[in-house]
Amino acid sequence: ETGVTQSPTHLIKTRGQQVTLRCSSQSGHNTVSWYQQALGQGPQFIFQYYREEENGRGNFPPRFSGLQFPNYSSELNVNALELDDSALYLCASSLEEGDETQYFGPGTRLTVL
Amino acid sequence: RKEVEQDPGPFNVPEGATVAFNCTYSNSASQSFFWYRQDCRKEPKLLMSVYSSGNEDGRFTAQLNRASQYISLLIRDSKLSDSATYLCVVTGEYNFNKFYFGSGTKLNVKP
Repeated sequence: ETGVTQSPTHLIKTRGQQVTLRCSSQSGHNTVSWYQQALGQGPQFIFQYYREEENGRGNFPPRFSGLQFPNYSSELNVNALELDDSALYLCASSLEEGDETQYFGPGTRLTVL
Repeated sequence: RKEVEQDPGPFNVPEGATVAFNCTYSNSASQSFFWYRQDCRKEPKLLMSVYSSGNEDGRFTAQLNRASQYISLLIRDSKLSDSATYLCVVTGEYNFNKFYFGSGTKLNVKP
C-alpha cells in the first residue's frame, strides 16, 4: 500500500452538477498531483500543488480547481460536470517538489450521466 | 502530437517468453523516464526508473535512447502475474513532477 487514500471510491453525478474529490497524502509528502484517466487511456495531468500553492497545470479548463490544506490533504473540484468528465481520478503524492517518485492513491471513479 | 506514444497491444505471450515494449516521446528536453504498471481498475505503480545507462531489476530491463527519443522495457521469462498494462512516463522539461503518461501497452501472459 502507498499510504495515499482517496474518497469516495465511486461517485455518480448528473451533467451540470459539481463534485469534490478528496485525497490524503502519504505522511510527510508536501506535493500532490491530480490526474484524470479515461477508459483505455493513460492518466492525464490536471494540476499539482506544492505547500498549498498550485505548481503547474495541464490542459484542463478552469472549472477544474483544487486545494491543498496545511496537513497536505487535498481536494479536486469540478464544476458544471460534462459527460466526458467520466473517468478515474487519481491523486499522487511525493516527498518534495523535485522528487521523482510519485505514490498513487486507488482513485475515485466518477460517472457523469 | 502526443507527448508519449505507445503501442496499445495487446501482446499475448506464453509463460516463459521474452517480450519487449517501446515508447516514444516528443520533448527532447525531458529529464526523467519511468515505467509504471497498472492492473485492471487499480492505480499505477512504479515498476522502474529508466536511466541513460540502462537498468535492470530481476527479469526487467529498461533502456533509454535519447537520440531517438524512445524508451524500452524488456521482460524475460514472463509470468502469469506480469499480465497488466505497462505505462511509459516522461516528466516535463522543467517540472519533474509533471508526468506525461502514454496510453499503455497491455500484456497478457497465457499458461
